[in-house]
Amino acid sequence: KQEVTQIPAALSVPEGENLVLNCSFTDSAIYNLQWFRQDPGKGLTSLLLIQSSQREQTSGRLNASLDKSSGRSTLYIAASQPGDSATYLCAVRPPGQKLVFGQGTRLTINP
Amino acid sequence: ETGVTQSPTHLIKTRGQQVTLRCSSQSGHNTVSWYQQALGQGPQFIFQYYREEENGRGNFPPRFSGLQFPNYSSELNVNALELDDSALYLCASSRSGGAEDTQYFGPGTRLTVL
Repeated sequence: KQEVTQIPAALSVPEGENLVLNCSFTDSAIYNLQWFRQDPGKGLTSLLLIQSSQREQTSGRLNASLDKSSGRSTLYIAASQPGDSATYLCAVRPPGQKLVFGQGTRLTINP
Repeated sequence: ETGVTQSPTHLIKTRGQQVTLRCSSQSGHNTVSWYQQALGQGPQFIFQYYREEENGRGNFPPRFSGLQFPNYSSELNVNALELDDSALYLCASSRSGGAEDTQYFGPGTRLTVL
């Protein structure tokens, strides 16, 4: 059974810092991995989708990497801003299954 | 292009009651997936509908049921509500439900069971 873990559960950093969020998964047989952002009490916004054949994806200040063999992904946020404060979720798509989510990392950027 | 919408935004029910949640998929999408997100947890997959047929189900009891309509909107029905059913219910639509598809999420319905 695929399990997804995100560490840390919460992170607080000063504005302007670069930071890394971690995601690990137990089974390397996945179609893709996706990072989402969730604001309090709201739905999910897709940030980056990495197919299994890819190593990384970039969008603006965000960069996500994927190492399938080790079951790890990282989300790098450059020059963090208070508006980046949210919960970040990663999810994997195993074969024949739907999205399996981690519990998320709650990020706070302090002005 | 209209995004995924859900109604109602909030709902309060008592144990034993039944509830229906609604979701309108994004234009051009024929697949809808439903997720349950308990407080502080990641979303858990409930089931998916593709062209009005159930296309995959997570580890949820039969009292969780659904429908998809010809316009690809969808309903989630929960019977005999329990306190643990209190959660944010999210629906997501995609073009085909394929593994390569990105799912677009709605804002969710917050259900509180007293």
